[in-house]
Amino acid sequence: GQSLEQPSEVTAVEGAIVQINCTYQTSGFYGLSWYQQHDGGAPTFLSYNALDGLEETGRFSSFLSRSDSYGYLLLQELQMKDSASYFCAVRINTDKLIFGTGTRLQVFP
Amino acid sequence: NAGVTQTPKFQVLKTGQSMTLQCAQDMNHEYMSWYRQDPGMGLRLIHYSVGAGITDQGEVPNGYNVSRSTTEDFPLRLLSAAPSQTSVYFCASSYGEVTDTQYFGPGTRLTVL
Repeated sequence: GQSLEQPSEVTAVEGAIVQINCTYQTSGFYGLSWYQQHDGGAPTFLSYNALDGLEETGRFSSFLSRSDSYGYLLLQELQMKDSASYFCAVRINTDKLIFGTGTRLQVFP
Repeated sequence: NAGVTQTPKFQVLKTGQSMTLQCAQDMNHEYMSWYRQDPGMGLRLIHYSVGAGITDQGEVPNGYNVSRSTTEDFPLRLLSAAPSQTSVYFCASSYGEVTDTQYFGPGTRLTVL
């Protein structure tokens, strides 16, 4: 079976840094993605890691350790608009993308 | 480009009724997929397609059928609706492999009474 674990909720204040962790147990692994979803909206792509290490895209960074079956999304200089749900997703073969249950991030002023 | 479009936005069905959720994309994407999203469950893959004429099952395919006769369209059919199928359904597409950026449609909120 496949399982991805994320914290259900994280809170932080504007300007802070927050890290959302994702651990996975899957029958195959090709890479780890992150998606953002605002309430009532559709998921939008943030990042993808196929190899170990850190990928940086503006205020957002994503990290992967294949040996630890672990990754995280790092959000810096938090803004109110970053309040949303964040999903990690694992590509388990060439065609399937399996999502975690999501982490709800609340940013307070 | 309209991107990924889904119709209808909202639908209420009675148990046992059948219906088709429509999904279309105008980006010439080969890969398309259907997900359902339930509170606390994240997104679960129902069916996917890597190109016209090719479909396969995801994590939760029971009670759903799909077909892919054209690159643009990927309809999802509920054969006999059940209350357990009450959910928000998202269609997604990408240019190539599933690792490419997945573009999601706005979703269809389905209630089965």
